[in-house]
Amino acid sequence: QVQLVQSGSELKKPGASVKVSCKASGYRFTVYGMNWVRQAPGQGLEWMGWINTNTGNPTYAQGFTGRFVFSLDTSVSTAYLQISSLKADDTAVYYCARDGLYGSGIYYDYWGQGTLVTVSS
Amino acid sequence: QSALTQPASVSGSPGQSITISCTGTSSDVGDYNYVSWYQQHPGKAPKLMIYDVSDRPSGVSNRFSGSKSGNTASLTISRLQAEDEADYYCSSYTSSSTRIFGGGTKLTVL
Repeated sequence: QVQLVQSGSELKKPGASVKVSCKASGYRFTVYGMNWVRQAPGQGLEWMGWINTNTGNPTYAQGFTGRFVFSLDTSVSTAYLQISSLKADDTAVYYCARDGLYGSGIYYDYWGQGTLVTVSS
Repeated sequence: QSALTQPASVSGSPGQSITISCTGTSSDVGDYNYVSWYQQHPGKAPKLMIYDVSDRPSGVSNRFSGSKSGNTASLTISRLQAEDEADYYCSSYTSSSTRIFGGGTKLTVL
């Protein structure tokens, strides 16, 4: 069965960096794109962008350029989100979400459990 | 790009039907049949309920249905049940080759 398992919660100081992992299993990793979605406390979902798991080419949404980097290690079927120069308003739950299998594929059929990143001094 | 517009909250009684709207523009909802809907219970990851405007994934109740007219997509939940109480989000593809979520709607089952 398809599973996306994310790394655990992180507590970081402002200015530090964090790397969140998303390990996929149960399907061919390089066939489906991987998306990253942010949810700040008490707020809605924000699409951060996606990475083509076949080519490694990332696409970033407005507001998520510069400090945010998507990467892959296809040998272990894992996608990564790295955030540098962390700020307090980066505090959020970060989800990885797979592109869909049927139809257009432009939706998210499987989600990781989420990783809480807390930025506080 | 601003989020798609959803009502902040809707409510209904068990057994009733409710509809949640998702309004975008001719550059997203209006131009593509790539609207999807997600249910999120507190503290949980979102769950796909509808994709490509009106298709339902295997395992999702047929009480959930989707439609679109112009720049507005809609999610209808019929025969409302207590377990349907959750936050609901729409999402669309955009002409910039990006994707966007709605602001979310809190459904209360009275």
